[in-house]
Amino acid sequence: DTAVSQTPKYLVTQMGNDKSIKCEQNLGHDTMYWYKQDSKKFLKIMFSYNNKELIINETVPNRFSPKSPDKAHLNLHINSLELGDSAVYFCASSQERGDTQYFGPGTRLTVL
Amino acid sequence: GQNIDQPTEMTATEGAIVQINCTYQTSGFNGLFWYQQHAGEAPTFLSYNVLDGLEEKGRFSSFLSRSKGYSYLLLKELQMKDSASYLCAVSDILTGGGNKLTFGTGTQLKVEL
Repeated sequence: DTAVSQTPKYLVTQMGNDKSIKCEQNLGHDTMYWYKQDSKKFLKIMFSYNNKELIINETVPNRFSPKSPDKAHLNLHINSLELGDSAVYFCASSQERGDTQYFGPGTRLTVL
Repeated sequence: GQNIDQPTEMTATEGAIVQINCTYQTSGFNGLFWYQQHAGEAPTFLSYNVLDGLEEKGRFSSFLSRSKGYSYLLLKELQMKDSASYLCAVSDILTGGGNKLTFGTGTQLKVEL
């Protein structure tokens, strides 16, 4: 049983394109997150949603737009992709006001 | 804001014990997590400390001193499969729900024969 899943696992695209990454969790958690892990392996929070409401929005370019159609899904849409967007993007979830965050397998985005 | 510091790399011998330290300075604190991340994989949860003291879980233990802003992860009876990056993360509870994790840069542990 997959707890937190992401699609696609790999995404290679040209600069200027628009792309989406999907995330789903079947843990019944209320809170979901998007993280970016750069080439130096530094993992940084981007967004968090609780019950479909945005609760964290770090300093992220507005080319990045998260969307939560329901509390089990949190998608990430990226407009006008840039070279610097190349990274691994991780989705995670946790219980509301809970402790442990569980991570998806990651999406490796490469912008050419 | 959060400032989290941990060594970049460590090397240890199979069967030995290794201690990975993490120091932090935070404006808010609701616990400290340790995650393990193998190359090309997702971070996986190892331990959580919110009170001072030692938490033991099999070969892994984690210690927290809130007054000193200090934690360590202790790995015993090292195995080759323990070669991975170990991430220290400080938690802030969010009023809107969930918790915000701020990660350190990770300690890359290499276990050698």
